[in-house]
Amino acid sequence: AQSVTQLGSHVSVSEGALVLLRCNYSSSVPPYLFWYVQYPNQGLQLLLKYTTGATLVKGINGFEAEFKKSETSFHLTKPSAHMSDAAEYFCAVRSSGGYQKVTFGTGTKLQVIP
Amino acid sequence: EAGVTQFPSHSVIEKGQTVTLRCDPISGHDNLYWYRRVMGKEIKFLLHFVKESKQDESGMPNNRFLAERTGGTYSTLKVQPAELEDSGVYFCASSLRDRGGELFFGEGSRLTVL
Repeated sequence: AQSVTQLGSHVSVSEGALVLLRCNYSSSVPPYLFWYVQYPNQGLQLLLKYTTGATLVKGINGFEAEFKKSETSFHLTKPSAHMSDAAEYFCAVRSSGGYQKVTFGTGTKLQVIP
Repeated sequence: EAGVTQFPSHSVIEKGQTVTLRCDPISGHDNLYWYRRVMGKEIKFLLHFVKESKQDESGMPNNRFLAERTGGTYSTLKVQPAELEDSGVYFCASSLRDRGGELFFGEGSRLTVL
């Protein structure tokens, strides 16, 4: 079984401040990990993913995430928030072995304050 | 290339009525998924098609939900009869085989049952 926990359903940051969205996962086998973003009235789009290899993954719009196996975490960061980053962010996990569906977290709404 | 399209974008029905949601995946994507998000909660897996076959329908809530994917192209999700707890946003996603689980999402169909 696999699961995802996102700490904080709402996060507010000032424009230009660091963005940190937390994600912890549970998986019985090595995971594939994803961050998706949903802008208002749009579908989810992939921000970045980790499958194998380098544990620091860079995505679109300046976001990055680091896979930390020992902490079972995959936190999303961006050094400097922009107003356009205001959206809902979803962490997701899929086990790498065989068929496994993608399991999503509850989402974190990011508010950027001017 | 067209993305995943869903219809209708919003449906309001009375309890006991029937609603059919449609999803057109990205052309050439064998995998098609249905997910549902009830307000504020996680995006929950409903089922997964590979071409026209159901790979995994473990997330379907009950037998009031019927999903089909005739000919391995578009898919429909019928809810009959609808109950209040069926309200939520129904997302469709598609993917190529073994792309590390990367899903391409539609904008969702919002269902409101009164």
